[in-house]
Amino acid sequence: RKEVEQDPGPFNVPEGATVAFNCTYSNSASQSFFWYRQDCRKEPKLLMSVYSSGNEDGRFTAQLNRASQYISLLIRDSKLSDSATYLCVVSVMIKAAGNKLTFGGGTRVLVKP
Amino acid sequence: GAVVSQHPSRVICKSGTSVKIECRSLDFQATTMFWYRQFPKQSLMLMATSNEGSKATYEQGVEKDKFLINHASLTLSTLTVTSAHPEDSSFYICSAKVSGTVNYGYTFGSGTRLTVV
Repeated sequence: RKEVEQDPGPFNVPEGATVAFNCTYSNSASQSFFWYRQDCRKEPKLLMSVYSSGNEDGRFTAQLNRASQYISLLIRDSKLSDSATYLCVVSVMIKAAGNKLTFGGGTRVLVKP
Repeated sequence: GAVVSQHPSRVICKSGTSVKIECRSLDFQATTMFWYRQFPKQSLMLMATSNEGSKATYEQGVEKDKFLINHASLTLSTLTVTSAHPEDSSFYICSAKVSGTVNYGYTFGSGTRLTVV
């Protein structure tokens, strides 16, 4: 089983619609959680950190469910520019090595007119 | 915000040659730099973690003699792919954690697309 799993998609979303997807993680010791956005052939860019209480940033809402070990991302009022691959990233503290990030395989979102 | 500058962005080299990739933290000190590799349509895979002034920690399956990492200062880490082969062609990305600001997460360099011919 992969440490961090995501539905690869693609999620085909009409412009203006809402899309949501999850990411599951296997390590219960995971401490920090992030959603990154990666455009084709570019580096990942931080979209938002995910807090236990859930958090919202404009049209983006992230939730964390520690009991079921998943995080979610919801995008409202989708824009064409939201088309990208969304990477779920989980951080675990390892004694000797410090924080270790594990990336999910990414969920591809295609917003269409 | 915190910026990691990575160079070169793209390199094509002949099989058997070595390639050096540099990552510099421009406005913060990167005590730890992470090096990733991403093959087409796959996720980022951690290759190694480098700490300033000490030896890098390599992930299982990554050859330390082939992928040389140097982190001699708090603002510069380098990855050298030695005796490159076509199967080393990939997208290499460095990343550093910006200390003291939880919201920043991890900042990534812009990546280096290596093609070995």
